[in-house]
Amino acid sequence: QLQLQESGPGVVKPSETLSLTCTASGGSIGSTEYYWGWIRQPPGKGLEWIGSVFYSGSTYHNPSLRSRVTMSVDTSKNQFSLKLSSVTAADTAVYYCARHQADMDVWGKGTTVTVSS
Amino acid sequence: EIVLTQSPDFQSVTPKEKVTITCRASQSIGSSLHWYQQKPDQSPKVLIKYASQSISGVPSRFSGSGSGTDFTLTIDGLEAEDAAAYYCHQSSSLPHTFGGGTKVEIK
Repeated sequence: QLQLQESGPGVVKPSETLSLTCTASGGSIGSTEYYWGWIRQPPGKGLEWIGSVFYSGSTYHNPSLRSRVTMSVDTSKNQFSLKLSSVTAADTAVYYCARHQADMDVWGKGTTVTVSS
Repeated sequence: EIVLTQSPDFQSVTPKEKVTITCRASQSIGSSLHWYQQKPDQSPKVLIKYASQSISGVPSRFSGSGSGTDFTLTIDGLEAEDAAAYYCHQSSSLPHTFGGGTKVEIK
C-alpha cells in the first residue's frame, strides 16, 4: 500500500525559499500512470493545488503562484520535491503531497509550514 | 480557471438524516468532478471520483451525481463519524481547483 510522507522545515523566514520533500514507500513514483502533486491548506481555509510532477520530470503548476514554484522528482530516492521562493505570511499553510491521475487517491499526512521571522 | 462553488458552507444535521451538498462549476467539466472528506487534523480522503463512481472501502451511504456544471454529493443516513468538511475538485482543465468546502456538523 503506497504511503507518502512530507518533510521539511516547519518555519521559513519571509522572502526565503520553502523546500519540501515527499517520500513514497510501498510503491514507486516511477509509475507511468500517476502524477505527483502538491496541495496546500492555509489555517482554517480550503484546499489549493500548487502543482504536479510526472516521473519524467515534466511539471505543471498553478499560475496563481507565478514563477515561484519549482518541482522535481528523484526516482532513485523515490522522492519528489517542491520549492516555493519569496515566501510571505500568505504562504503559511499545511502542505500535502498526493498521488493523482484525475482524483487524488493517496495523500500524505501533511506538514505545517509557518512563514515568520 | 474553473471556479467551483459549493453550497451550503455549513450544515448541522441529525444522525440518520439525508445530507445533500452541491457543487457548481463555472463552465462545463463533463464528469471530471471528485469529492473528498476531510476530518479535523487529517488529510483529505477521496469518496467519489468522476462524479458518480464509487471508491473501494467507502461506505455505500456516500453517492454522487451530476455532469456538466452541476454536481451533488449525497450522504444517505448520516452517521456520527461523518462529521467533516467535504470538498469537490475538478480535473477537467488546469489548474486543478477545489470548491470552498462544506462543513457538516452532527447535532
